[in-house]
Amino acid sequence: GAVVSQHPSWVICKSGTSVKIECRSLDFQATTMFWYRQFPKQSLMLMATSNEGSKATYEQGVEKDKFLINHASLTLSTLTVTSAHPEDSSFYICSASSSGRGDEQFFGPGTRLTVL
Amino acid sequence: GENVEQHPSTLSVQEGDSAVIKCTYSDSASNYFPWYKQELGKRPQLIIDIRSNVGEKKDQRIAVTLNKTAKHFSLHITETQPEDSAVYFCAASYLRQNFVFGPGTRLSVLP
Repeated sequence: GAVVSQHPSWVICKSGTSVKIECRSLDFQATTMFWYRQFPKQSLMLMATSNEGSKATYEQGVEKDKFLINHASLTLSTLTVTSAHPEDSSFYICSASSSGRGDEQFFGPGTRLTVL
Repeated sequence: GENVEQHPSTLSVQEGDSAVIKCTYSDSASNYFPWYKQELGKRPQLIIDIRSNVGEKKDQRIAVTLNKTAKHFSLHITETQPEDSAVYFCAASYLRQNFVFGPGTRLSVLP
């Protein structure tokens, strides 16, 4: 159990467009979802933490208006990269945790975003 | 905020030897310390974790130790195998929020 999916797995878009990434917990209800960004051969950088039904908490340096996060249900969180630019190209990974499953985070497979 | 450092950045060991990766954290309020293994092109997978009320935890060939006073924790892998080759990340968290990851250690197990 504890499967997290992400969609799409890879997206290429033009500069200036917006891209939405979905993160779903398939077999459990996620009270908290996390969004990370990972550059090649680097660590995961937490962007924001979202709890179902409330506004996301963004890490310092992450633009709220640039990276819109919605956690409308216990199984779905979305990250929208607005007006994407080439520097937004990265690997975005979500994770989900549940109070019923302790503190463990279950990671999605990631979404590779390439902005041309 | 929390700052997590991790050493070494790369580690090569012979198959069968032990590997040790160390992490330090700065925020004494952090109370949960997971370790993740990430193989190339794959998602991070939790391999072991420890809470601040425990000093050591073992799971077969993997063990984690925590020194709260010194604010450091270590991952120990014994009898390493080629399939242990991956990037390992430590992390520190308080109440399951604000996970901060270390920069990672690339472990290579040489046959």
